[in-house]
Amino acid sequence: EAQVTQNPRYLITVTGKKLTVTCSQNMNHEYMSWYRQDPGLGLRQIYYSMNVEVTDKGDVPEGYKVSRKEKRNFPLILESPSPNQTSLYFCASSPRGRGESGYTFGSGTRLTVV
Amino acid sequence: ILNVEQSPQSLHVQEGDSTNFTCSFPSSNFYALHWYRWETAKSPEALFVMTLNGDEKKKGRISATLNTKEGYSYLYIKGSQPEDSATYLCAFKKTSSNTGKLIFGQGTTLQVKP
Repeated sequence: EAQVTQNPRYLITVTGKKLTVTCSQNMNHEYMSWYRQDPGLGLRQIYYSMNVEVTDKGDVPEGYKVSRKEKRNFPLILESPSPNQTSLYFCASSPRGRGESGYTFGSGTRLTVV
Repeated sequence: ILNVEQSPQSLHVQEGDSTNFTCSFPSSNFYALHWYRWETAKSPEALFVMTLNGDEKKKGRISATLNTKEGYSYLYIKGSQPEDSATYLCAFKKTSSNTGKLIFGQGTTLQVKP
């Protein structure tokens, strides 16, 4: 089944404790992106990647890091989480160069930083 | 900052009612307009991707239209059913974006009462 897999689904952590949210897709998509969803705001892009070893900042990159060492994986790293990073996070992927396609989203990660 | 606006923010209808909502986006540098359905506790799923002015797309009882010159898209649901209850997101992509970046609206939340 074609899908984007995110882990974990839920995470409660303490301020300052480094964490990684994993994202993996099995569709050979070039483009991957991380979004956060907060009440009253639309999905806001954190980071994106157009292909292996090509990443760039989105609209709200502060406090986050990403890497794209393999095409299928795009982990989101919070080096020192803070309470304002409490949010619902989505990873998404799409193909490039074959016409415009909708994004495939992961199941989401609900993060609470206390 | 590019703004994508959706209205109304929420909508309550009776089963069998037809309904529609609006997505407004910048009319310049248009590349594509996406619609997603986001059910509670699930991830957003692509409904339509439209790229041409005057595009009309249909999937069952749901259809969408696109006016790129004036910067709006309508989503129509004919004969709403309780299973249509969800948040409907639109997202805009501009022409310079070989980055694949989508800018999302805040969504319209639809509740269909049996």
